[in-house]
Amino acid sequence: EVQLLESGGVLVQPGGSLRLSCAASGFAFSSYAMSWVRQAPGKGLEWVSVISGSGGTTYYADSVKGRFTISRDISNNTLYLQMNGLRAGDTAVYYCAKAPGDCTNGVCYGTETAHFDSWGQGTLVTVSS
Amino acid sequence: ETVMTQSPATLSVSPGERATLSCRASETVTSNLAWYQQKPGQAPRLLIYDTSTRATGIPARFSGGGFGTEFTLTISSLQSEDFAVYYCQQYSNWPPITFGQGTRLEIK
Repeated sequence: EVQLLESGGVLVQPGGSLRLSCAASGFAFSSYAMSWVRQAPGKGLEWVSVISGSGGTTYYADSVKGRFTISRDISNNTLYLQMNGLRAGDTAVYYCAKAPGDCTNGVCYGTETAHFDSWGQGTLVTVSS
Repeated sequence: ETVMTQSPATLSVSPGERATLSCRASETVTSNLAWYQQKPGQAPRLLIYDTSTRATGIPARFSGGGFGTEFTLTISSLQSEDFAVYYCQQYSNWPPITFGQGTRLEIK
């Protein structure tokens, strides 16, 4: 059974930094693309970033580009999101989500990498002074 | 960016009746469309991908259709556990991956 468990969400001041983690189990972690998706309180879903199974290819939403960095530790089956320069608008529940496939030859524009067949329970990040 | 627009924002339906939710894309996404269900306090759950393929464990009362820019999610006979928020998502033209704003399905 696929399990994804996020952690690291806390209250942080504007301009601060935070690293989220997502511990994965129940599947071959290095064989699947992974994403972070966020949901502001009472709002809809917003895709944040995706990383290939090997970790060599990443993409970001414009709203976080240059501030957030996605990475993964294959030896520890853990996905990360390093968040710098946090703003009030980054306040949200952050979900890690598994794709049904992986990028091919470093290219992730395929359909198997960009929808999500398993989700974690989410971790709340609050950016406020 | 491909903008996804869902309608209606809220749909009131009685248990046992049929519900049809709509999703429109601002440009063609061919058949690269997914639907998710989200209940309060829970993570989203994949229902449908590739427009019409049910995800593992999803009951047959859920069906998806459409192509290009117009899509529907139909729930043939609503059960109490189906009342939730539903999101469509396109994965044809990305990045960015984009979601609709959601349709809340409530008990009439």
